[in-house]
Amino acid sequence: EVQLVESGGGLVQPGGSLRLSCAASGFTFSRYWMTWVRQAPGKGLEWVAHVKPDGSETYYVDSAEGRFTISRDNAKDSLYLQMSSLRAEDTAVYYCVRHTDWSFDYWGQGTLVTVSS
Amino acid sequence: QSALTQPPSASGSPGQSVTISCTGTSSDVGGYNHVSWYQQHPGKAPKLMIYEVTKRPSGVPDRFSGSKSGNTASLTVSGLQAEDEADYYCASFAGSRQWVFGTGTKVTVL
Repeated sequence: EVQLVESGGGLVQPGGSLRLSCAASGFTFSRYWMTWVRQAPGKGLEWVAHVKPDGSETYYVDSAEGRFTISRDNAKDSLYLQMSSLRAEDTAVYYCVRHTDWSFDYWGQGTLVTVSS
Repeated sequence: QSALTQPPSASGSPGQSVTISCTGTSSDVGGYNHVSWYQQHPGKAPKLMIYEVTKRPSGVPDRFSGSKSGNTASLTVSGLQAEDEADYYCASFAGSRQWVFGTGTKVTVL
């Protein structure tokens, strides 16, 4: 059974940093593109970042470019999102998502990040 | 990277059909057959319902179907059931390894 379990969310002050983690199991993690998608409270979904199976290529939504870094450790079956210079508008539930067949087929339950003073 | 446009709400009685539209541009929906649809119940993670415009993952009822014409994709739910009441989001590849989601549609079963 595919499982994606996020951790690392919490309350952080504007301008601060946070690192999200996602532990994957039930599939060969190193073969899949992985993605972070976020959802602000009461709002829609937003694609945030994407990483190639070997970690050699990364892509970001414009608002995350230069502030967020997606990475992975295939030896640990883990995905990460390092977030810095956080803003109030980054407040959201962050989902770890597996990408395949040009879609997002498995989602974690999400971890809440709140940016507030 | 503007969000794809969906109607805020749609509704139907049990057994009826409801169709949700997802309008983008020639740079996303119209340019690729990489449109997918997601169902999200309150407090839950989204679930993949349709991928590659028309394909259904294993386990998704055949009451759910997808289509596309030009820059607009559509999701149709036939034979509406109470459990279909949820938020639905489309998503599309937008080139250069970028992805964009729709604004979301709340489906109510009357």
